[in-house]
Amino acid sequence: EIVLTQSPGTLSLSPGERATLSCRASQSVSSTYLAWYQQKPGQAPRLLIYGASSRATGIPDRFSGSGSGTDFTLTISRLEPEDFAVYYCQQYGSSQETFGQGTKVEIK
Amino acid sequence: QVQLVQSGAEVKKPGSSVKVSCKASGGPFSSYAFSWVRQAPGQGLEWMGGITGMFGTTNTAQKFQGRVTITTDESTSTAYMELSSLRSEDTAVYYCARYSGYYRPGYLQHWGQGTLVTVSS
Repeated sequence: EIVLTQSPGTLSLSPGERATLSCRASQSVSSTYLAWYQQKPGQAPRLLIYGASSRATGIPDRFSGSGSGTDFTLTISRLEPEDFAVYYCQQYGSSQETFGQGTKVEIK
Repeated sequence: QVQLVQSGAEVKKPGSSVKVSCKASGGPFSSYAFSWVRQAPGQGLEWMGGITGMFGTTNTAQKFQGRVTITTDESTSTAYMELSSLRSEDTAVYYCARYSGYYRPGYLQHWGQGTLVTVSS
């Protein structure tokens, strides 16, 4: 099983600032099969990024993903009030899919 | 548009089983694979297993092998997840999610609203 470790656990930032979230895999994720999801309290997760860098339908371009192999990054260029949430990475390069433990982006 | 509507909250006794349903609309049912993900209170997301479209091939997370059964009913466009031998640690919100195509693994494009399962004596 591929273990995904997200860092930091919590990111305290102000609206307008840049957020950089990390997701590190215990072994290489084949073909950049890495996705990012956003979850707000009481809601289901929402797909943001797939294939490490492709934005899902309707996702603003302030969200971007990058990386390959074992190191992946989600960047939010300028935080909007609605972006404060928990973010999860998911790898789907193996039959045993796994999620990271999440990074909470909170208002400073 | 795509909608995944899950069954309502359940309260179960330890040792019993629970079966959660997920009715899909928006697109031909057999053209998509489905997954089940759970989230314990205050915790992160945990992939439980998935089932492909067309052939209904299942794959379950090692942690749940022998305890979880994932099925689909094309006639009603519904996916099911049954978890047996329930224990208190199984208290969680259970989500169904639809992949982008009939195959899996993949990314989860659409999600249901979640079903709270509480295991308590």
